[in-house]
Amino acid sequence: RKEVEQDPGPFNVPEGATVAFNCTYSNSASQSFFWYRQDCRKEPKLLMSVYSSGNEDGRFTAQLNRASQYISLLIRDSKLSDSATYLCVVLGGVVDNAGNMLTFGGGTRLMVKP
Amino acid sequence: SQTIHQWPATLVQPVGSPLSLECTVEGTSNPNLYWYRQAAGRGLQLLFYSVGIGQISSEVPQNLSASRPQDRQFILSSKKLLLSDSGFYLCAWSVPEEGYYEQYFGPGTRLTVT
Repeated sequence: RKEVEQDPGPFNVPEGATVAFNCTYSNSASQSFFWYRQDCRKEPKLLMSVYSSGNEDGRFTAQLNRASQYISLLIRDSKLSDSATYLCVVLGGVVDNAGNMLTFGGGTRLMVKP
Repeated sequence: SQTIHQWPATLVQPVGSPLSLECTVEGTSNPNLYWYRQAAGRGLQLLFYSVGIGQISSEVPQNLSASRPQDRQFILSSKKLLLSDSGFYLCAWSVPEEGYYEQYFGPGTRLTVT
């Protein structure tokens, strides 16, 4: 089983739609989670951090379910500019001075159509 | 504010040639620094990380090496490139103080080994 699993998509949605991605992780000791956005041939950019049960930022909502070991990202009122690959990222269970180890999912591709 | 630079942006090198990629961070002190590789259509793979000058940890055995000669400078090198070294190389930084573990990425170097 992969440490962080995502449906690669693509998710094709019309403008204005609500879309949700799920991500499952295998390390039950993981404490912190992140969603990054990566545009084609560009670097990943931090979209949202999740340190407790969830986080909301405008049209974007992330929710964490520790019991089932999954994180979701909900995008409301999709815009054309939301088209990108969304990476689910999990902080490893062991955190020490050796560095904060992030494990990246393979990403979910979203395409928003007019 | 913090900024991270990588160069070159793109590179085409023949098999067997040496490699040197540079990453510098501005606007922060004593960051953790990371080198990742993203092969075409695949997820991010952590190659090296560093928590201080001269301190390098390797995550994946390979023909690459890393060095940190200064606090905010991280260099990825190879003596002889392989075809399998082609990919998108990303440098990232973090300052995991007070429990925040976000990593921020540079613009990346796209390497093609021919």
